[in-house]
Amino acid sequence: NAGVTQTPKFQVLKTGQSMTLQCAQDMNHEYMSWYRQDPGMGLRLIHYSVGAGITDQGEVPNGYNVSRSTTEDFPLRLLSAAPSQTSVYFCASRRQGRETQYFGPGTRLLVL
Amino acid sequence: SQQGEEDPQALSIQEGENATMNCSYKTSINNLQWYRQNSGRGLVHLILIRSNEREKHSGRLRVTLDTSKKSSSLLITASRAADTASYFCATGGPDNDYKLSFGAGTTVTVRA
Repeated sequence: NAGVTQTPKFQVLKTGQSMTLQCAQDMNHEYMSWYRQDPGMGLRLIHYSVGAGITDQGEVPNGYNVSRSTTEDFPLRLLSAAPSQTSVYFCASRRQGRETQYFGPGTRLLVL
Repeated sequence: SQQGEEDPQALSIQEGENATMNCSYKTSINNLQWYRQNSGRGLVHLILIRSNEREKHSGRLRVTLDTSKKSSSLLITASRAADTASYFCATGGPDNDYKLSFGAGTTVTVRA
């Protein structure tokens, strides 16, 4: 199994541009989440999904959209990038009824 | 807002020594998990302790949980250079435990 994969690994955007961060998992996990990690802070939850077609907001959802059309994929869309969205983004998944989360390698995003 | 707070923020020890880090949290939890993050990588699950448990072991890891003090500790015994990483505690609440809340982490450096 590849586990949780994320693309791209690194991205530079200009303010106002939009983009989609990709996340996929091959473990058939029901739950998927997006976090951002900023220096000196823990991971903060952006959006999460408990199954295909079901998404909900986390702690810091503003400026981001998600959708979950399949169990495997959970893309994160930045609608109009801002410098405050410069961060490292992690996708994670877990099986329903189990607490352990599996994380992807992360996407480093720089917004100029 | 962050639920967990780790202490100390950074720790430097000699190879072979023990490393202890603490996590305090604010509200009732269902479980508490510890994750490790190597530089530039995603988080890896280390150990989980449930709210009705007081101590748990896994290899060189020992976790304690004191729900009356809302605190947990992670002990790494006989540290190795490969233990150099950041360590995060994450709490799962009783009502919505698929939304983990992470602390800011403890950075551990093990000197050869």
